[in-house]
Amino acid sequence: KAGVTQTPRYLIKTRGQQVTLSCSPISGHRSVSWYQQTPGQGLQFLFEYFSETQRNKGNFPGRFSGRQFSNSRSEMNVSTLELGDSALYLCASSPGTFTIDEQYFGPGTRLTVT
Amino acid sequence: AQSVAQPEDQVNVAEGNPLTVKCTYSVSGNPYLFWYVQYPNRGLQFLLKYITGDNLVKGSYGFEAEFNKSQTSFHLKKPSALVSDSALYFCAVRDRGNTPLVFGKGTRLSVIA
Repeated sequence: KAGVTQTPRYLIKTRGQQVTLSCSPISGHRSVSWYQQTPGQGLQFLFEYFSETQRNKGNFPGRFSGRQFSNSRSEMNVSTLELGDSALYLCASSPGTFTIDEQYFGPGTRLTVT
Repeated sequence: AQSVAQPEDQVNVAEGNPLTVKCTYSVSGNPYLFWYVQYPNRGLQFLLKYITGDNLVKGSYGFEAEFNKSQTSFHLKKPSALVSDSALYFCAVRDRGNTPLVFGKGTRLSVIA
């Protein structure tokens, strides 16, 4: 099975712009989660989707949004980018039926905001 | 809300020696606990998890972890460290129910030959 794929892998944006990141989960997985990884804060939870419904949301401002499509692919959007949004954004998928399932992570999208 | 603490930012160990990476957690109920590893320039990989049952959990690459409810800990261990074990290790916890998976800030393990 192919793993979790994320596109693009690298992105450079300017303050004030918006960005959309994409995640394709492992085939058959219905749950997708997003995390922001920074050296100082570690991994911080952004969203979790299951069957197109947002199951959980982290403590991030409304500039961060996401969605999941019927084929389980997911996108996250960050509007009005700030310098502090520079981070590695990780997507993870799991079968999703049970919260005991381990998550499978993609390689991440490295976002740099200048 | 659940939380995880990894008290050590960095752990150094000599190759062949046992290693321990510490993790403590806080949840309102009974936890689901996980360990993940991140190698340089790669995504996180699942190592092991505790859901219920035996307190000693065995996982990938010879790693194991012991769940201690009274100390609210879930330390990661390996009897004999390899240089290739050098990586960033994350502990994570999920409270029972549909709560998000919360990660610690990570511990960088360096195994020195």
